[in-house]
Amino acid sequence: ETGVTQSPTHLIKTRGQQVTLRCSSQSGHNTVSWYQQALGQGPQFIFQYYREEENGRGNFPPRFSGLQFPNYSSELNVNALELDDSALYLCASSLGAGPYNEQFFGPGTRLTVL
Amino acid sequence: KQEVTQIPAALSVPEGENLVLNCSFTDSAIYNLQWFRQDPGKGLTSLLLIQSSQREQTSGRLNASLDKSSGRSTLYIAASQPGDSATYLCASLSYNTDKLIFGTGTRLQVFP
Repeated sequence: ETGVTQSPTHLIKTRGQQVTLRCSSQSGHNTVSWYQQALGQGPQFIFQYYREEENGRGNFPPRFSGLQFPNYSSELNVNALELDDSALYLCASSLGAGPYNEQFFGPGTRLTVL
Repeated sequence: KQEVTQIPAALSVPEGENLVLNCSFTDSAIYNLQWFRQDPGKGLTSLLLIQSSQREQTSGRLNASLDKSSGRSTLYIAASQPGDSATYLCASLSYNTDKLIFGTGTRLQVFP
C-alpha cells in the first residue's frame, strides 16, 4: 500500500509569483484535503476535493485554488504569492467525502516566499 | 467556533519519565479527537483517534483520554525515550465546524 506523497519537498518563490503543489493520495483513497501550517502553528484547513469537485473550504481567499484528477491526485495552486503564504503545505487523503473519515497525511511541501 | 488549546507549549524531561500532554477544546459536540506526532519540518503521523463514544485509546506506551463534558483530552506517554522528542498536536472534529481544528502543539524534548 502506497502512502500519501507530495512534491516538491521544498520550494522558493518571490512575492507575486504563482505556485503549484502536488499530492498523490494513498492507494484506494478518493478524497484529498489540503492544509496550511505556518511556523509554530497547527495546520489550518484550506479545502477538500472529492470526485474532482471542491467539497468544503476554509477561510482562505480565492487565490488559493485546487484540482483533483481522475486518479484522485490533486494540485494546490496559489496565485499572487504573499510573504505570509510561507508555510508547510500538507495534504491528507481519505476514503469518502467530508471530514468524518480518517485522514492520512503526507510529508508536506515547504514553501518559502521572498 | 471550535478552539483547541494545548498546554504546555514546550516540555523538556529526562528519559524514563512518565508525562502528560493536555488538550482542551471549546465545543463539546465533537465527533472525534485525534493526536498526531510531527517531527521537525515533516508531516503528521496519527498516534491515536478517540471517537466521541469512547473514553480512551491505548497504543503501546501511549494512552489518550477524552472527557467531553470538561472539554479535555490528555495524552499520557509512559517511560519516555529520546526518540519521543517531537511536536505533539491534537485535533478536534466537531459537528458544528465540520472540519479538523488543530491546536498549536506541545514541543517535547526527552534528553538522555
